[in-house]
Amino acid sequence: DIQMTQSPSSLSASVGDRVTITCRASQGISNYLAWYQQKPGKVPKLLVSAASTLQTGVPSRFSGSGSGTDFTLTISSLQPEDVATYYCQKYDSGPRTFGQGTKVEIK
Amino acid sequence: QVQLVESGGGVVQPGTSLRLSCVASGFSFSTYALYWVRQAPGKGLEWITTMSYDGHTVFYADSVKGRFTISRDNSRNTLFLQMNSLRAEDTAVYYCARGSTMSVRLPFDMWGQGTIVTVSS
Repeated sequence: DIQMTQSPSSLSASVGDRVTITCRASQGISNYLAWYQQKPGKVPKLLVSAASTLQTGVPSRFSGSGSGTDFTLTISSLQPEDVATYYCQKYDSGPRTFGQGTKVEIK
Repeated sequence: QVQLVESGGGVVQPGTSLRLSCVASGFSFSTYALYWVRQAPGKGLEWITTMSYDGHTVFYADSVKGRFTISRDNSRNTLFLQMNSLRAEDTAVYYCARGSTMSVRLPFDMWGQGTIVTVSS
C-alpha cells in the first residue's frame, strides 16, 4: 500500500508568516491528493482537492501544489484562525490513506 | 439538508460487538462511494474502510480487516459498520464520509459529526 508522509509533525509560527507543509507519497499518485483542516474538537474540512484546487470559501492565503509523489500546502500569511491540524490524503485508488498530520500553532 | 448523521456509538467491553449507522440526506446516496474514518483520542485520522457506490467493491485497513464489515442499504440511504471482536485500541471517534462517484475520483467532501466508541472493561 502507498504510504503518505507529512512534515513537519508540528510547527509554531507568527501571525503573518508564510507556512509550508509537505506531503510525500511512497509511490506516484498523479494529482489525487487532498488537504484537510481539522480545528480542535471539530470535524475535518476539505481545503484542497486535486493537489491544487481550493474548495469554495477557503481563503486565498491557502494554496496547494505538487504532482506525482511530492506535494505542498502553503499558508501565505498565517492567521490566528488557521490554528489547526492539517492532513494530506491520497484518493487515487484503493486505501484512502492519510498523512499523520501537521499541527500548526501561533508563536 | 445535505448531511451525514452517524449513530450507534457507546461504551462496550473488549471482545464484544457494535454496529454503527450513517444516514444520508440531501444527495443521491446510491451514486457515491462511502467511507468510515476514525480518530483515536489525541491521534490523527485513520481511514478504515471503503464501499463503492454499488456495494461491489470494498477495502479495509489492516487494523480492522477480518473484524469489521462495511455495508450499505441504498433503499434506506444508510451506511453501516459492523464491528466485532472490539479491542481497546478501537476506541475512537468514528466518522462516515462521502467521496468518489460512479465515474469521478473525489476526496471526502462531506463528513458526519462523528460517533464515539469506547472499548473498556
